[in-house]
Amino acid sequence: GENVEQHPSTLSVQEGDSAVIKCTYSDSASNYFPWYKQELGKRPQLIIDIRSNVGEKKDQRIAVTLNKTAKHFSLHITETQPEDSAVYFCAASIRSGSNYKLTFGKGTLLTVNP
Amino acid sequence: EAEVAQSPRYKITEKSQAVAFWCDPISGHATLYWYRQILGQGPELLVQFQDESVVDDSQLPKDRFSAERLKGVDSTLKIQPAELGDSAMYLCASSHLVANYGYTFGSGTRLTVV
Repeated sequence: GENVEQHPSTLSVQEGDSAVIKCTYSDSASNYFPWYKQELGKRPQLIIDIRSNVGEKKDQRIAVTLNKTAKHFSLHITETQPEDSAVYFCAASIRSGSNYKLTFGKGTLLTVNP
Repeated sequence: EAEVAQSPRYKITEKSQAVAFWCDPISGHATLYWYRQILGQGPELLVQFQDESVVDDSQLPKDRFSAERLKGVDSTLKIQPAELGDSAMYLCASSHLVANYGYTFGSGTRLTVV
């Protein structure tokens, strides 16, 4: 089955700095890679995703890169703000017939210090 | 914005008791997922439905957990008997049948077994 490793488990940055979270996956058939942000006590919310036919995607201060050969993908947050503080989860999706299943990493606790 | 509805939000139960959670997916979403999220970890898939059929329950502890989606719309997850280690957030998510998109999660049910 799919295995997703996520690093680091905790990350502390100063406001305005950049933050990078990295994930690796095991199944070369994985073709969809979303990132979720989860604030304390709330549901995970999709913030950005990337498909295997592109190498990079950007949405304002958030970007995701994908290296299919190395089977790793990364989340980049620039100009971090205190409200970016949360737990971030990467995930990888594999298709099985007409169904899809996401396997999640263990999460990264990001703290942005004012 | 359409949401996945879950109830109850919080549940405290004594060990060995039965407990049930309910989920109503976004209208038109044929695929429904139940995930368990232990504090400090990423969500782990328990069961996946395609309409009313179970397509993946390989990680569901079948001796005590059961799930159903009788009419292919809303779903119930049951635990009987509950154990202390079942304390976690139980998240429901839904997605389109054939499109490989990120899930929309419900707000979850926080279960505490005492």
